[in-house]
Amino acid sequence: SAVISQKPSRDICQRGTSLTIQCQVDSQVTMMFWYRQQPGQSLTLIATANQGSEATYESGFVIDKFPISRPNLTFSTLTVSNMSPEDSSIYLCSVGAAGADTQYFGPGTRLTVL
Amino acid sequence: SQQGEEDPQALSIQEGENATMNCSYKTSINNLQWYRQNSGRGLVHLILIRSNEREKHSGRLRVTLDTSKKSSSLLITASRAADTASYFCATYHSGNTPLVFGKGTRLSVIA
Repeated sequence: SAVISQKPSRDICQRGTSLTIQCQVDSQVTMMFWYRQQPGQSLTLIATANQGSEATYESGFVIDKFPISRPNLTFSTLTVSNMSPEDSSIYLCSVGAAGADTQYFGPGTRLTVL
Repeated sequence: SQQGEEDPQALSIQEGENATMNCSYKTSINNLQWYRQNSGRGLVHLILIRSNEREKHSGRLRVTLDTSKKSSSLLITASRAADTASYFCATYHSGNTPLVFGKGTRLSVIA
């Protein structure tokens, strides 16, 4: 199994500002995924991050709003830009690897935008 | 996009009773996983069932998969107050592909 950490675990931000969330894995993984979970809802995929290439975004999510970096096989960041109260959610990263069936999640970052 | 539908959306039972949650999905899959989430925290992987499997057990958990009906069920036997959480099913093709989550079932186990 993979051990995944996220920073920060929670934050309260003012509207119009940006927050960068870090995701660190204890082993090299091929794919990293970023999800958003709005209050009381299920998880929705934001984007898929493959090392060395641009992230692939799902419908409804754009790079200008959620820029993602994937500089190596153990680390990724997600930035929530120009935040509004609607961005208040839990943001989770998960990892997968070729040949592995199970995907594991980080503990999540709880974001509140005032 | 979410293709899974869990039912019930919320379930409240007494400690010691069994809890059954169902999940339906729309497209063909290779794998289905069940996760638990406590109080809006990170997801804990519970059990993986592959498309060529019909049933799996892990401790007090029993998962079934019916690919002809595109449905899965999670049974928690002899429930405990600590089982109180949200439970999600998620489908995907491989470890390299993203998960598609159902809406989840909120389970409350009353001591």
